[in-house]
Amino acid sequence: EAGVVQSPRYKIIEKKQPVAFWCNPISGHNTLYWYRQNLGQGPELLIRYENEEAVDDSQLPKDRFSAERLKGVDSTLKIQPAELGDSAVYLCASSLDPAVAYNEQFFGPGTRLTVL
Amino acid sequence: GENVEQHPSTLSVQEGDSAVIKCTYSDSASNYFPWYKQELGKRPQLIIDIRSNVGEKKDQRIAVTLNKTAKHFSLHITETQPEDSAVYFCAATLGSSASKIIFGSGTRLSIRP
Repeated sequence: EAGVVQSPRYKIIEKKQPVAFWCNPISGHNTLYWYRQNLGQGPELLIRYENEEAVDDSQLPKDRFSAERLKGVDSTLKIQPAELGDSAVYLCASSLDPAVAYNEQFFGPGTRLTVL
Repeated sequence: GENVEQHPSTLSVQEGDSAVIKCTYSDSASNYFPWYKQELGKRPQLIIDIRSNVGEKKDQRIAVTLNKTAKHFSLHITETQPEDSAVYFCAATLGSSASKIIFGSGTRLSIRP
């Protein structure tokens, strides 16, 4: 079974440019998460989807970040415009039906973003 | 806000010795505590977890203990091996929601040969 797939793996852009990250969760996983991981820190949740609905986006900087999960499968996270402080690894994770307690979250390999 | 604190931030142990990583959490409603291992440049992977109705759980060389009263939990690795070198993250659910977890800041474990 394929794991969570993310692309690109690396991205280098200049500040003020837009950037987008793509995630394909494990087949059958209803819940999808986007995290940001700064160097030397643990992952911080940006947004959580249950199917196509964003159920928790309280930590998403909505002035420049946006996300979508059309059809409740793949998801895209966008930053426009990017700032120097956005440099980090962006991790996508997925888990099974949220009605099942204590779901393990499976992480993708991440996209390492560098903003110059 | 609610948080999870993790100590130490770095840990170096001799191969074969034990390693202990400790975490505290602030949300008394937290009821699930997973531990993730992240090797350099790779994705975090679940290595063990514990629920609030259990005080201890063991899986081969790895064990986790939970003290709900004190709101702290620990990861114990015995007979450490070179492949145990990685960054370890503890986490706790926010409230009783199984879907939202908060991560600690990580412990970089190095195993000396």
